[in-house]
Amino acid sequence: NAGVMQNPRHLVRRRGQEARLRCSPMKGHSHVYWYRQLPEEGLKFMVYLQKENIIDESGMPKERFSAEFPKEGPSILRIQQVVRGDSAAYFCASSLAIQETQYFGPGTRLLVL
Amino acid sequence: AQSVTQLGSHVSVSEGALVLLRCNYSSSVPPYLFWYVQYPNQGLQLLLKYTTGATLVKGINGFEAEFKKSETSFHLTKPSAHMSDAAEYFCAVSEQYGGSQGNLIFGKGTKLSVKP
Repeated sequence: NAGVMQNPRHLVRRRGQEARLRCSPMKGHSHVYWYRQLPEEGLKFMVYLQKENIIDESGMPKERFSAEFPKEGPSILRIQQVVRGDSAAYFCASSLAIQETQYFGPGTRLLVL
Repeated sequence: AQSVTQLGSHVSVSEGALVLLRCNYSSSVPPYLFWYVQYPNQGLQLLLKYTTGATLVKGINGFEAEFKKSETSFHLTKPSAHMSDAAEYFCAVSEQYGGSQGNLIFGKGTKLSVKP
């Protein structure tokens, strides 16, 4: 059973470009969470999605960031018009149900030049 | 709002020595509690978790943690450190109830070094 998969593992963007981060949850998992890890910081919750629904986006910046988890395909975290402050590691986690163990992917390390 | 405090951003122990990583949380209602480990350039791996029941929880790789409600603590221990334990350790909580249940709130992490 494959774990949580994220791609790309590393992403370099110039200021003003768009970044798309993909997350494929573990087989059978319908709950997906996105977290951001800034240098020397712990992970910060961004958004929680179930298939086709955003359940909690209280940790998402109000502008430029969006997330989706379509019926088919991976969950996507999209960052428009990236700025240097968006440079971070973005982790996706999935679980079978709410409050069940979250399994983390290897992360996407975004560098904005 | 919930918060998690990990005392000591860096801890160094000798191989074979006791490992003690501290974690305190702020909540009037006991949350669910977790310890995760992160190796360089990798994702997080769950070491152990506490939800209900026995307050001493055993995890993988010989780690254990004890939930102490009176101290709002969930410290992580291992009797004898191994070189392979060198990594960063994160304590996390999630609320049992409410709109934010399921979201993990992390501490800032503790980097563990193991000296030969």
